[in-house]
Amino acid sequence: SSEVTQPPSVSVSPGQTARITCSGDALSNQYAYWYQQKPGQAPVLVMSKETERPSGIPERFSGSRSGTTVTLTISGVQAEDEAEYYCQSADSSDTYPVFGGGTKLTVL
Amino acid sequence: QVQLQESGPGLVKSSETLSVTCTVSGGDIRTYSWSWIRQSPGKGLEWIGYINNRGDTNYNPSLKSRVTMSIDTSKSQFSLKMRSVTAADTAMYYCVRVPLDIVLMPAGIWFDSWGQGKLVTVSS
Repeated sequence: SSEVTQPPSVSVSPGQTARITCSGDALSNQYAYWYQQKPGQAPVLVMSKETERPSGIPERFSGSRSGTTVTLTISGVQAEDEAEYYCQSADSSDTYPVFGGGTKLTVL
Repeated sequence: QVQLQESGPGLVKSSETLSVTCTVSGGDIRTYSWSWIRQSPGKGLEWIGYINNRGDTNYNPSLKSRVTMSIDTSKSQFSLKMRSVTAADTAMYYCVRVPLDIVLMPAGIWFDSWGQGKLVTVSS
């Protein structure tokens, strides 16, 4: 089991807002990062240090934190956003990087 | 724009050694640090280890006894070897860039560029 916890699935209709959460003990003193993985492709970093959007990532992607829970928000979801999203932080001993189990975002 | 390309055998026999090499192009391998991450079929992502441009390494404790990473800056390549593989090691192996020159603790690293992955199947 992962030491970083995500919901297994989130479903939204096009144009709505999707929120994917991530929680874990290490988030008390480590940043979280978010990766998007589409079928048959390598993951892509979509959010760095919780709120920093890498170059080329659409503005509809944003991130936030509340305590030890971080949230990736996709505003105005588009069909192309359908993918698996992975949160990454550290293990509970704050020793090495770990990934959450992934959240399948379905655009209805 | 940095590009990473994995190469190596796609089929390895059980109990033997898995070897994958990553070739870095479009950027200086000496400027950053590097990692390997794997993904078992239909499963999530697992960090394997980290190597910096000086050859310092740090491995996932669960794999540490079987893993060795190396770097050859003259060839812009870094490599992964995993010994005594079993079917549980069947996975897509990704080489990735860590956008840091120096890493004091791997807990805080992240991965900003990924190769396309090398599927390695362990056969009995």
